[in-house]
Amino acid sequence: NAGVTQTPKFRILKIGQSMTLQCTQDMNHNYMYWYRQDPGMGLKLIYYSVGAGITDKGEVPNGYNVSRSTTEDFPLRLELAAPSQTSVYFCASSPLQSYNSPLHFGNGTRLTVT
Amino acid sequence: DAKTTQPPSMDCAEGRAANLPCNHSTISGNEYVYWYRQIHSQGPQYIIHGLKNNETNEMASLIITEDRKSSTLILPHATLRDTAVYYCIVRGKSAGGTSYGKLTFGQGTILTVHP
Repeated sequence: NAGVTQTPKFRILKIGQSMTLQCTQDMNHNYMYWYRQDPGMGLKLIYYSVGAGITDKGEVPNGYNVSRSTTEDFPLRLELAAPSQTSVYFCASSPLQSYNSPLHFGNGTRLTVT
Repeated sequence: DAKTTQPPSMDCAEGRAANLPCNHSTISGNEYVYWYRQIHSQGPQYIIHGLKNNETNEMASLIITEDRKSSTLILPHATLRDTAVYYCIVRGKSAGGTSYGKLTFGQGTILTVHP
């Protein structure tokens, strides 16, 4: 019963490097989301997807890209890492297009950009 | 989405009930009240949600006032493992938006359960 799985758990990047944060879910959920959480702060929505091939921007999309080629996977791409992207990144999914449907979160990727 | 107000911190003795309040005076009729918690370094964990009626599951109970302007999350027998940040979130259709996934996390309540 894996749920939402994120890899890697930790990563250190140099300024200007790129990386992909992986997220996969085995619950056949249509909706998937990427959030970031800065120290001592709440979560902010970066991007979300309502199904394979469909993505849209959240509150803080600048500096990130996403794709959704399958129902299970929703990777987040950082092209030119900046110190402002140091954060903990959480992926989440939900089954239905409904406010009556909880989001289920992964355990996060802790990213440091130096 | 409606804004929520929670106390920044609360204490609870192990084995006692923890009652976490939340004010959401501007909630709309079709907006749900959700509770999540976050234990240090882990992802947010869904606890419970409701619209109008009180709800109970294996983790907690949710009491929503009749006017829906406030709610209380009840952990009936708190344990040390319940020490976490608890977030009360109102979730519904933003004005003009269709982002069903959006959960607006505030600062939450730091609940400390002590022996």
